[in-house]
Amino acid sequence: NAGVTQTPKFQVLKTGQSMTLQCAQDMNHEYMSWYRQDPGMGLRLIHYSVGAGITDQGEVPNGYNVSRSTTEDFPLRLLSAAPSQTSVYFCASSYGLAGATETQYFGPGTRLLVL
Amino acid sequence: AQTVTQSQPEMSVQEAETVTLSCTYDTSENNYYLFWYKQPPSRQMILVIRQEAYKQQNATENRFSVNFQKAAKSFSLKISDSQLGDTAMYFCAFMKHNAGNMLTFGGGTRLMVKP
Repeated sequence: NAGVTQTPKFQVLKTGQSMTLQCAQDMNHEYMSWYRQDPGMGLRLIHYSVGAGITDQGEVPNGYNVSRSTTEDFPLRLLSAAPSQTSVYFCASSYGLAGATETQYFGPGTRLLVL
Repeated sequence: AQTVTQSQPEMSVQEAETVTLSCTYDTSENNYYLFWYKQPPSRQMILVIRQEAYKQQNATENRFSVNFQKAAKSFSLKISDSQLGDTAMYFCAFMKHNAGNMLTFGGGTRLMVKP
């Protein structure tokens, strides 16, 4: 298994540009999430999905769109990038509800710089 | 809403010694999970240990153990026999039971293990 993969690893955007951050997992996980990590801070939840076709907002959803057409993929879209979206983005997945036995697996992160 | 606070931005410890990282949280929930994640310079998020709120027994994973004080809403991490490879950012995280894997993170503690 490749686990959770994210592309690209690093991206520079100009203000107003759009782009899609890709996240894929090959572990047949139902639950997938997107987090952002700003310098000196912990991760904050952007959007999450509990299965194909089902998504919901997290703590900081503004400026981001998601969709979940397949179990494997959970792309994050920035429609009009802003400097405030400069951050490191992490995708995570788990088979079921993480807690006592299930574990969330995190991808390696995508570093985004918006000029 | 839940909040997680890590009051120690940076700590250092000599190799082979013991160090304790602090975490407090605020919630009105009764059923929840607490986690410690490690983030080395590679930025990969690695689960270190987890605790179920309804279990009074403190979780232990090899050299890592927690002191979970539910009434005080405290969840500290003790690292015994510290190793150079333990140098990393450590994040405390909270998750409500049946909350779709939505993690709330603290701001992190940077731990440096010195030879």
